[in-house]
Amino acid sequence: DIQLTQSPSFLSASVGDRVTFTCRASQSISVFLNWYQLKPGKAPNLLISAASTLQSGVPSRFSGSGSGTDFTLTISSLQPEDFATYYCQQSYSIPRTFGQGSKVDI
Amino acid sequence: VQLVESGGGFVQPGRSLRISCAASGFIFDDYAMNWVRQPPGKGLEWVAGISWRGGSVNYTDSVKGRFTISRDNAKNSLFLQMNSLRAEDTAFYYCAKGTLSDILTGSWFDIWGQGTLVTVSS
Repeated sequence: DIQLTQSPSFLSASVGDRVTFTCRASQSISVFLNWYQLKPGKAPNLLISAASTLQSGVPSRFSGSGSGTDFTLTISSLQPEDFATYYCQQSYSIPRTFGQGSKVDI
Repeated sequence: VQLVESGGGFVQPGRSLRISCAASGFIFDDYAMNWVRQPPGKGLEWVAGISWRGGSVNYTDSVKGRFTISRDNAKNSLFLQMNSLRAEDTAFYYCAKGTLSDILTGSWFDIWGQGTLVTVSS
């Protein structure tokens, strides 16, 4: 199984901050890496697919990059609604696997 | 576009439970579907996936032989039959739509439901 390691696991930040999360895969997965946002009591939300494709309706302050084993998700200017937990997920092979999550708190 | 899970609840270890997902707003039988779970306070885990006609199914190792994913395209519904439940199966179970007709390299989960809670405890 492909292991995904996210860092940091927890991040304290303020509105307006630029924040970056990393996701490292245990083997090369090309660009088959996706990012999701989770908030308590809400359906998970797909932010970015295929490493860098921003989903329709997702604010442009979110961006993704990377290929192979190293990937990043960046929020250019943190907004109040962005305080949540972010997960990376690989779609290279079965079983699909997720990182352990990166929580952004005030 | 909407996915609505139902059927969660409290069940004793070793017993069975069937959860469902009702889909609307898209052509259900064009896409693979998946179940993803999240134990309280923990991360996400993909559980199972099924191709558009149900001819191909895949499971994570921890549920193989105990869980069965199925679908009824006529009723736009997805199911997860869970047998021999264990305490470690306690989680929110999310229904998630794939982006291709099968669980192929490059497909992701673009629509999710809000989840149904399954609690396994004596």
